Amino acid sequence: DSGVTQTPKHLITATGQRVTLRCSPRSGDLSVYWYQQSLDQGLQFLIQYYNGEERAKGNILERFSAQQFPDLHSELNLSSLELGDSALYFCASTPGQGARDANEQFFGPGTRLTVL
Amino acid sequence: LAKTTQPISMDSYEGQEVNITCSHNNIATNDYITWYQQFPSQGPRFIIQGYKTKVTNEVASLFIPADRKSSTLSLPRVSLSDTAVYYCLVGDVVTSGTYKYIFGTGTRLKVLA
Repeated sequence: DSGVTQTPKHLITATGQRVTLRCSPRSGDLSVYWYQQSLDQGLQFLIQYYNGEERAKGNILERFSAQQFPDLHSELNLSSLELGDSALYFCASTPGQGARDANEQFFGPGTRLTVL
Repeated sequence: LAKTTQPISMDSYEGQEVNITCSHNNIATNDYITWYQQFPSQGPRFIIQGYKTKVTNEVASLFIPADRKSSTLSLPRVSLSDTAVYYCLVGDVVTSGTYKYIFGTGTRLKVLA
């Protein structure tokens, strides 16, 4: 158990819908990272927040957005869902800012999103 | 954009040493190289991290040449439970100056009895 929790574990929805994925980092960790893992794209970095502020940005679609709240939990919002958005979404956390810090990222168990 | 490539798959027998190489020819300056292990339907799990030369911990060694354009994860005496997908992770500073994390393409290791 990494100490990072993600809810829900599974999510099934229809195209065009909007969903919210939730992540709670390890106690004391200030950074939260979001990744998408699909069969044909591997692990893709989406976005990182550090203490409530966006710190790094990957290939995150405009239909996707995220935020980190004062209690440090984070939510990833996916809207206008398409079939291709079906994937595993992972959240990870670290104590520091990442980006050249020698920080091991601790990953949550993931949320499996299926868009029908 | 950094391209981080790994062999797609490898087979090995129990008790053998396995070496997996990751090519990251555009690694960000002063960035660390991290390796993860992933089992099906689980999040990646940290194995080892290094910046330069050689790093060893209780489960693996990491070799990084001077130019840092590649790295090699070495797993000594693998067992069946080491069957998993292994990823390297590096950072990249894109032309806009922003930083992003790049996972390698992943190597599926199968350990045979």
